[in-house]
Amino acid sequence: QQQVKQSPQSLIVQKGGIPIINCAYENTAFDYFPWYQQFPGKGPALLIAIRPDVSEKKEGRFTISFNKSAKQFSLHIMDSQPGDSATYFCAASVTGNQFYFGTGTSLTVIP
Amino acid sequence: DTAVSQTPKYLVTQMGNDKSIKCEQNLGHDTMYWYKQDSKKFLKIMFSYNNKELIINETVPNRFSPKSPDKAHLNLHINSLELGDSAVYFCASSPRPTDSPLHFGNGTRLTVT
Repeated sequence: QQQVKQSPQSLIVQKGGIPIINCAYENTAFDYFPWYQQFPGKGPALLIAIRPDVSEKKEGRFTISFNKSAKQFSLHIMDSQPGDSATYFCAASVTGNQFYFGTGTSLTVIP
Repeated sequence: DTAVSQTPKYLVTQMGNDKSIKCEQNLGHDTMYWYKQDSKKFLKIMFSYNNKELIINETVPNRFSPKSPDKAHLNLHINSLELGDSAVYFCASSPRPTDSPLHFGNGTRLTVT
């Protein structure tokens, strides 16, 4: 059973566009929601993370929006650049327990 | 100055062989993990060790055996390799079990022929 559902599977945007990747979960005990970015041939790297006590967190061009009542969270990339082309994973965890990853979104930003 | 390093980067072997993947972290973290990434890029945890003690042991064939000689090392030994074991295996570490960012190595691409 997939604990965290991620969509879309792939996304193509023009440079400067705002790709949005969505994730949904069922376990209300989850209390930590990170996003990871993975480039080809590399391991995933933490991009940004949020806890359920805030509805939005912004770091540079990356923003997480969190909707606790809907059990959804999303990643927005402002002014996207070709260098943002990568696979993005959302994840969720209960403190002290394991991470559950989404299925990944392959983002391509066209120059 | 690699934080989480794993060797080898590529491993090509035949069915039935036994192989090992090594992982070392120089971040001073207490917790280390093995993840498997399949061809569809799905990341699934296999094992987790905290201070050399096994704390997560997901449903993986017992042909897979992790070993943590010390806090900075977590190796993965695979017996009797099968075609379905072909994947990218990632080692990761974190300061403490979850609730903190995972630092991943660059992966070991295992191909079983």
